[in-house]
Amino acid sequence: GAVVSQHPSWVICKSGTSVKIECRSLDFQATTMFWYRQFPKQSLMLMATSNEGSKATYEQGVEKDKFLINHASLTLSTLTVTSAHPEDSSFYICSARATWGSGGEVKSTDTQYFGPGTRLTVL
Amino acid sequence: AQSVAQPEDQVNVAEGNPLTVKCTYSVSGNPYLFWYVQYPNRGLQFLLKYITGDNLVKGSYGFEAEFNKSQTSFHLKKPSALVSDSALYFCAVRAIISGNTPLVFGKGTRLSVIA
Repeated sequence: GAVVSQHPSWVICKSGTSVKIECRSLDFQATTMFWYRQFPKQSLMLMATSNEGSKATYEQGVEKDKFLINHASLTLSTLTVTSAHPEDSSFYICSARATWGSGGEVKSTDTQYFGPGTRLTVL
Repeated sequence: AQSVAQPEDQVNVAEGNPLTVKCTYSVSGNPYLFWYVQYPNRGLQFLLKYITGDNLVKGSYGFEAEFNKSQTSFHLKKPSALVSDSALYFCAVRAIISGNTPLVFGKGTRLSVIA
């Protein structure tokens, strides 16, 4: 099946620093990737939709300047948490649907595949 | 707007007994419905999905789910629970709008299977 990887799997950083999380689709192309955030014992909250070659679409209440998303290729999206603070500590999960075609004929799979997640702890 | 409700935070079942994890949804138009499972400190693993066709769908690890349009439900079931099934289960829905429409998740139900 389709595999999505994330790096790093966990990171501890000091308050005020920036952290970059990578999401890669290993055996398929994905023009769209999704970034979710999960607090302990809670559901996944969609943060943003990452579109290859264009700006990400952020959900209401998510700070664009705080959570920078770059989708530079069909297999890589990055989430950078800028000037991290303890309240940014969370489990970040990316996901993707396999896509193919081009122009007006882009198609995607129904199933969304998830990365293993990145646990961020800000001290 | 689309939404998913999982009314039970926790489901406890004895090993070997049948299990049900409930899910109801709200979406405009026809839904795509999914079940995912999450083990501690791990990402989500896909279990099964309903897109169209038979209302009863079978998925990984012996799980199945039944789509009920009139009750807007998509309950997850397994005839005989295993201790290894203990995990956090998420129901998710996506409206059939475009390829970029993301999944919306329920709050999750923690399943505990007792030996």
